[in-house]
Amino acid sequence: QVQLQESGPGLVKPSQTLSLTCTVSGGSISSGNYYWSWIRQPAGKGLEWIGRIYTSESTHYNPSLKSRVSISVDTSKNQLSLKLSSVTAADTAVYYCARWAAAAGDAFDIWGLGTMVTVS
Amino acid sequence: DTQMTQSPSSLSASVGDRVTITCRASQSMSSYVHWYQQKAGKAPKLLIYAASSLQSGVPSRFSGRGSGTDFTLTISSLQPEDFATYYCQQSYSIPLTFGGGTKVEIK
Repeated sequence: QVQLQESGPGLVKPSQTLSLTCTVSGGSISSGNYYWSWIRQPAGKGLEWIGRIYTSESTHYNPSLKSRVSISVDTSKNQLSLKLSSVTAADTAVYYCARWAAAAGDAFDIWGLGTMVTVS
Repeated sequence: DTQMTQSPSSLSASVGDRVTITCRASQSMSSYVHWYQQKAGKAPKLLIYAASSLQSGVPSRFSGRGSGTDFTLTISSLQPEDFATYYCQQSYSIPLTFGGGTKVEIK
């Protein structure tokens, strides 16, 4: 069974770059018809899609974050990465990685547990 | 961006009640709408995909309907473990967007 686990610093200073990793276990990140996404949720608020990657050449980002975000995949480590530059307090949130599956009607069928990132 | 408007934003219900949550899209979505359940401190969980398909392992008391711009999630008989926040989400266009959520509380 595929599982996702986010990791990274829980505290980032303003103007610095937030860097997170999502490790995929129980399956290969490069197999199947899947996109791998990052989604975030500020405390007490709703969900915001950050972006997704299919292969290194196929990425899509939320226009609201596009100038600051980069998503990549390391197939040798079975990991997905997120970099968000020039962070402010507004980027404080729980960050989730999730699998987007065509077989599930293009929905996010598997989610990581999430990791809390505070910008301060 | 496609706006997904959920209503109500919160509701109070009793165990055994039938509950319906609505999601309206700002443009036609065909059937590219999905529903998630999120409990406090946990990651969202996929309940319904493609408007009406039940995700594997999800109890049959959950059902979804709709196409175009109007979609509903129904819980036929609310159980204690169903008290949570529910989100709709569209995958028809980039950026992918979520509704604002509906919090289902115990009456």
